[in-house]
Amino acid sequence: LAKTTQPISMDSYEGQEVNITCSHNNIATNDYITWYQQFPSQGPRFIIQGYKTKVTNEVASLFIPADRKSSTLSLPRVSLSDTAVYYCLVVLDSNYQLIWGAGTKLIIKP
Amino acid sequence: DSGVTQTPKHLITATGQRVTLRCSPRSGDLSVYWYQQSLDQGLQFLIQYYNGEERAKGNILERFSAQQFPDLHSELNLSSLELGDSALYFCASSAAVGYEQYFGPGTRLTVT
Repeated sequence: LAKTTQPISMDSYEGQEVNITCSHNNIATNDYITWYQQFPSQGPRFIIQGYKTKVTNEVASLFIPADRKSSTLSLPRVSLSDTAVYYCLVVLDSNYQLIWGAGTKLIIKP
Repeated sequence: DSGVTQTPKHLITATGQRVTLRCSPRSGDLSVYWYQQSLDQGLQFLIQYYNGEERAKGNILERFSAQQFPDLHSELNLSSLELGDSALYFCASSAAVGYEQYFGPGTRLTVT
């Protein structure tokens, strides 16, 4: 049974790189790994998605090792506005089930 | 603006009542998802539809039901409401299963 686990909270400082790791055992080759950002009282917003190795876009990078048992969201040079909850999501290709992590509350300090 | 609309924005009702939440997906999106988020809690996936058909069920109570209509809008029906059903209910849409989800602004339900 697939499950996702991520840290409950993290602190960092402006200008630092932040890495948030999600553990997801028992996922298959075709299962997507996606990360979302959520601010209070707003719907989550897509950050990045990948299958394997490394994906980079204008706001983040996603690292997925060969065994795919975890993934790491990397936010370069964070600012105060990056304070939010970050969710990892695995979508199972076999039955379309959505396995959401419980969310990581990231607090960025000046 | 994600392009996903939800109505109403706020809803206050009493225990035992029934309510209907409505969602219009982004233009062209065939998949619709419903989520429940209680105060300071994570997202609970309820149910997903693709082009009118149910695709996956999450932790949806038997008192809750949903459907997606031919014009692709979706409704979530909550009945025999309890105090614990008070939450933010989000709808999201995507082009297909597994694709990027776009979330609506949510409906805040308060059961008194």
